[in-house]
Amino acid sequence: EDQVTQSPEALRLQEGESSSLNCSYTVSGLRGLFWYRQDPGKGPEFLFTLYSAGEEKEKERLKATLTKKESFLHITAPKPEDSATYLCAVQGGETSGSRLTFGEGTQLTVNP
Amino acid sequence: DGGITQSPKYLFRKEGQNVTLSCEQNLNHDAMYWYRQDPGQGLRLIYYSQIVNDFQKGDIAEGYSVSREKKESFPLTVTSAQKNPTAFYLCASSPHRGPLEQFFGPGTRLTVL
Repeated sequence: EDQVTQSPEALRLQEGESSSLNCSYTVSGLRGLFWYRQDPGKGPEFLFTLYSAGEEKEKERLKATLTKKESFLHITAPKPEDSATYLCAVQGGETSGSRLTFGEGTQLTVNP
Repeated sequence: DGGITQSPKYLFRKEGQNVTLSCEQNLNHDAMYWYRQDPGQGLRLIYYSQIVNDFQKGDIAEGYSVSREKKESFPLTVTSAQKNPTAFYLCASSPHRGPLEQFFGPGTRLTVL
């Protein structure tokens, strides 16, 4: 059974204070690891897909990295508008079909 | 604009009533999904469909039913058998094959009175 654990559950940063969110996973045959951003009362917004260990992707102040056991979402010099819940999900081997397994998310608050 | 629409945005139901949530997509995606999200929790899969006229149970299918008669549409019925239906419901879609991301609709918040 695929499992995803995100830490910390909540993170408070000052504007400009860089940090990282963690996503640890257990999956049989990883086909993809996904990061989403979710604002309160809205559907998740896709950020990144990572396919193999060593891969990195960047978008504005966000950078996602992947190892064989975990992924990190690095936030550089965050701004208040980066406040949101960040969700991690994995897609396992062929027996999983197209379904994703999600973690519980990290709620990020960036104070001005 | 291509995307996923869900309606209504807010839904109130009395105990004992069935209610149907709508999900439509114009992304030409083969696969569609229904998730439930409770406060402070991640997404839990209710049902998914990888092709028209076929669907599979997810992790929490009890008390829910779906149909997939058209590629664009995947309605979810919350039945009176669902013991705790108050939640935020999210619909998503994706291409059927490959490690490809799912795209989400705006969600429907269901409250049972």
